[in-house]
Amino acid sequence: AQSVTQPDIHITVSEGASLELRCNYSYGATPYLFWYVQSPGQGLQLLLKYFSGDTLVQGIKGFEAEFKRSQSSFNLRKPSVHWSDAAEYFCAVGARTGRRALTFGSGTRLQVQP
Amino acid sequence: EPEVTQTPSHQVTQMGQEVILRCVPISNHLYFYWYRQILGQKVEFLVSFYNNEISEKSEIFDDQFSVERPDGSNFTLKIRSTKLEDSAMYFCASSQTGAEEKLFFGSGTQLSVL
Repeated sequence: AQSVTQPDIHITVSEGASLELRCNYSYGATPYLFWYVQSPGQGLQLLLKYFSGDTLVQGIKGFEAEFKRSQSSFNLRKPSVHWSDAAEYFCAVGARTGRRALTFGSGTRLQVQP
Repeated sequence: EPEVTQTPSHQVTQMGQEVILRCVPISNHLYFYWYRQILGQKVEFLVSFYNNEISEKSEIFDDQFSVERPDGSNFTLKIRSTKLEDSAMYFCASSQTGAEEKLFFGSGTQLSVL
């Protein structure tokens, strides 16, 4: 069964600092990989996704993520965080065949200090 | 950008009562989903729905749960006899193609069972 681990429950960074949110997955093959963001009172919004090809993917709002097969990781990064980035971030995986439902991690809550 | 709309945003009910959570997916979407998140836990898949039938469901989605698309615009989740452990945030999602990269989520309904 596939699973997703986000080891950091809560992260606080200063505005303008760089950010890396960790995501590790367990799956028999390479899954589809996603990062979603949830701002307070909002739904889940897709930030970026990896399906195949270039392992460094660019997303919206200046985010990027790198797929590392050897480490089963898909960490999310941003070089300079803005106060509006404060939100909850979810990593998710989806199977390439068979069951199509997404499996989510438990989320990382990002707080941004001025 | 088109949105998935969920009502109500908060629902409080007594244990054993029936609840219906409502969702209006994006108008030209064909695939519909319910996910839920118990406080402090992961977002979990419940059910997917296409062509007026359930296409996939998780072990959580037992006989107490049902889904319906009653009128071509709404997509509902019914819990027949609520339990305390049904308290969670319930997210509706829709997609046009059935592929996960096009998944749009609503802002959720917070269900509290007392």
